[in-house]
Amino acid sequence: GAVVSQHPSRVICKSGTSVKIECRSLDFQATTMFWYRQFPKQSLMLMATSNEGSKATYEQGVEKDKFLINHASLTLSTLTVTSAHPEDSSFYICSAQEPAMGQFFGPGTRLTVL
Amino acid sequence: LAKTTQPISMDSYEGQEVNITCSHNNIATNDYITWYQQFPSQGPRFIIQGYKTKVTNEVASLFIPADRKSSTLSLPRVSLSDTAVYYCLVASYNTDKLIFGTGTRLQVFP
Repeated sequence: GAVVSQHPSRVICKSGTSVKIECRSLDFQATTMFWYRQFPKQSLMLMATSNEGSKATYEQGVEKDKFLINHASLTLSTLTVTSAHPEDSSFYICSAQEPAMGQFFGPGTRLTVL
Repeated sequence: LAKTTQPISMDSYEGQEVNITCSHNNIATNDYITWYQQFPSQGPRFIIQGYKTKVTNEVASLFIPADRKSSTLSLPRVSLSDTAVYYCLVASYNTDKLIFGTGTRLQVFP
């Protein structure tokens, strides 16, 4: 149990385009999901907290208009990187809060912006 | 949120026991301690979680002293496949966001 999936696993896009990443909790409902970004050889950096049915809470320094988060159901949160640029290239990881067991992470999405 | 401090890296050989200690001096009463393992280009994987004393599962043990200001992850008889980054995190159960520290990069040699 407590499986979290992400789609796509990797994406390559041109500069200026928008990319949507999905995070799903497969066997539990998650009112809260989190989005992280990880650059090579660095730790995970929390970007935002996604709450089902309400606006996401962004960490300091993360542009909410750049990284749009939608948590429309108890099993799905999406992160859209708008007008992506090469500096947005990174590994994006989501996690979902399982009520009785804690946080579980997705496998990550590798974004490369050309 | 409690800040954690871990060694940046550790080396070991196959078959040895590895102990990674994490300091969390500002841990709050309702905080739990959780350890995750991360391989390159993968999401973190839950290893073990505890509140006090000792917790053991099929892959690791977690030792937490009475003052809870530190914790030690113990990996018995490591293999090459245990080469990874190990993160210690402290947060309130079921409510808090997780703030990752540097983690400990464990390298296991044959």
